[in-house]
Amino acid sequence: NAGVTQTPKFQVLKTGQSMTLQCAQDMNHNSMYWYRQDPGMGLRLIYYSASEGTTDKGEVPNGYNVSRLNKREFSLRLESAAPSQTSVYFCAINTSGGQGTQYFGPGTRLTVL
Amino acid sequence: DAKTTQPPSMDCAEGRAANLPCNHSTISGNEYVYWYRQIHSQGPQYIIHGLKNNETNEMASLIITEDRKSSTLILPHATLRDTAVYYCIVKATDSWGKLQFGAGTQVVVTP
Repeated sequence: NAGVTQTPKFQVLKTGQSMTLQCAQDMNHNSMYWYRQDPGMGLRLIYYSASEGTTDKGEVPNGYNVSRLNKREFSLRLESAAPSQTSVYFCAINTSGGQGTQYFGPGTRLTVL
Repeated sequence: DAKTTQPPSMDCAEGRAANLPCNHSTISGNEYVYWYRQIHSQGPQYIIHGLKNNETNEMASLIITEDRKSSTLILPHATLRDTAVYYCIVKATDSWGKLQFGAGTQVVVTP
């Protein structure tokens, strides 16, 4: 998954704790996305950023905030983690403008106790 | 509401062609068909996409029916490394690249 990096790879939180998941790309693309994937299910879009300085809600934005401070980085913040947010989080970039060819990072595995 | 319907699972023998069906009977004229796959614990990987013509690349072929209500992804010579969940997704060109993933098809390639 060269080109999109995510940190950390694994994280365990207690209910109520906060944390920020980091995503960075070196492929110089405008659009970036955050998805979550619960066990046995497909990915669901949390937030996306069409370009630097803009962000929009996806399908499941509640409990999350995002920040796109520059073209390269797109972070996802959990202000007060809940067990329902236990999931694998994937960051992606869009390599083709408005079309659907996306390149995904390796994921962050988050457990909230 | 799901825009695509895929079988939950299928098996394929190594070296044989794997034909993965997808129904998208409500597809609109401006929606493309995309295929991704996800190997266990990894991020999804783009495979191929098309509008109405058949498409082929180094990974697979995509056959779309004339009425565009269904499609088939063909892996010509399946290998053990093709074991993955395969997702069929329809997406309009003006939706900012947002992908809506369903449950996909779990493909197991056996020796």
